[in-house]
Amino acid sequence: GENVEQHPSTLSVQEGDSAVIKCTYSDSASNYFPWYKQELGKGPQLIIDIRSNVGEKKDQRIAVTLNKTAKHFSLHITETQPEDSAVYFCAASRLTGGGNKLTFGTGTQLKVEL
Amino acid sequence: GAGVSQTPSNKVTEKGKYVELRCDPISGHTALYWYRQSLGQGPEFLIYFQGTGAADDSGLPNDRFFAVRPEGSVSTLKIQRTERGDSAVYLCASSPNGGWSTETQYFGPGTRLLVL
Repeated sequence: GENVEQHPSTLSVQEGDSAVIKCTYSDSASNYFPWYKQELGKGPQLIIDIRSNVGEKKDQRIAVTLNKTAKHFSLHITETQPEDSAVYFCAASRLTGGGNKLTFGTGTQLKVEL
Repeated sequence: GAGVSQTPSNKVTEKGKYVELRCDPISGHTALYWYRQSLGQGPEFLIYFQGTGAADDSGLPNDRFFAVRPEGSVSTLKIQRTERGDSAVYLCASSPNGGWSTETQYFGPGTRLLVL
């Protein structure tokens, strides 16, 4: 089955700096890569996703890049703000027509310091 | 409209007891997923429903775990003879269609299960 590794486990940045979180996956057939933000006591919330036919996607301060050859993808947050502090999870799945079973990484605790 | 809701928000039970966890998906969403999240880990897939049927139950850890979705909306995750290792947050997610399209999964807040 799919295995997703995520680094770093914790990340502390100063407000206004950029943050980068990296993930690798094992199943070359995976074709969907979402990123979720989880705040304490809440469920994960999708912040951005990318399909395997696209190398990069951007949404305001958030961007994701995908390298299919190397089987890794990254989340980039620019101009970080205190409200960006949360746990971020990457995930991967193989869309087969039988659902979208996500395999998650172990999470990155991002802390944005004033 | 309303998001995915889960009840109870917290459940404390004793080892060996039976528990039921409920998920109300977003209205009209045909796909429903259950995940389990242990402390400090990412969610792990348990089971996927398309409509009323369990299309993929490969993530259920053993036969003590069972889930139903009799009318294609609300789903109940049932755990028999609970063990301390079952303690975790149980997350439910729904999406409009679990087919080929890349549909966002919308997660509920989870049920925190503690088995004493």
